[in-house]
Amino acid sequence: GQSLEQPSEVTAVEGAIVQINCTYQTSGFYGLSWYQQHDGGAPTFLSYNALDGLEETGRFSSFLSRSDSYGYLLLQELQMKDSASYFCAPGNFNKFYFGSGTKLNVKP
Amino acid sequence: SAVISQKPSRDICQRGTSLTIQCQVDSQVTMMFWYRQQPGQSLTLIATANQGSEATYESGFVIDKFPISRPNLTFSTLTVSNMSPEDSSIYLCSVLSGARSGANVLTFGAGSRLTVL
Repeated sequence: GQSLEQPSEVTAVEGAIVQINCTYQTSGFYGLSWYQQHDGGAPTFLSYNALDGLEETGRFSSFLSRSDSYGYLLLQELQMKDSASYFCAPGNFNKFYFGSGTKLNVKP
Repeated sequence: SAVISQKPSRDICQRGTSLTIQCQVDSQVTMMFWYRQQPGQSLTLIATANQGSEATYESGFVIDKFPISRPNLTFSTLTVSNMSPEDSSIYLCSVLSGARSGANVLTFGAGSRLTVL
């Protein structure tokens, strides 16, 4: 079966750094993806880890530890436009299941 | 990445009726996925639709309630049958595309927001 855990809500101020954790249990795990969704919008891809370690894409980084079934998304230099929901999505190569999502509130 | 046109964007439906959602992709894709998202909630995978074969449904979803068609590599439909208020949700289609080597990326349509009265 599948199980995913991530915090439901996080609040931070502009310019700060925030980390969103994700623990998962999924059969046939292949990689961990992260998606961003603004209110009323569709999810959009942010980052992907197939191997252990850190992947950096601009202000966003994502980390994976396969042995711990754990990953996180790190957002640096927070901006107001980063206020959105963030979903981790472990996949078994051709199928992705989404976590409950973390609502990030960025305050001035 | 692929561009997906999904329609209707929203609809208000009567209990007991059925509605078909269409998803058109601007390129040929092997795998298409249908998700459901209730307001403020996560995305739940309904089924995987491959061209030329029957859709594969996730636990809790059945073909009689959510029949899917996949007539070619650029198009799919999801029908929500015999609707009840519990079916009020956003339905999203998505396709797999590789953003970069080794990464399987999902691209989503804008979603169809259904309200069942």
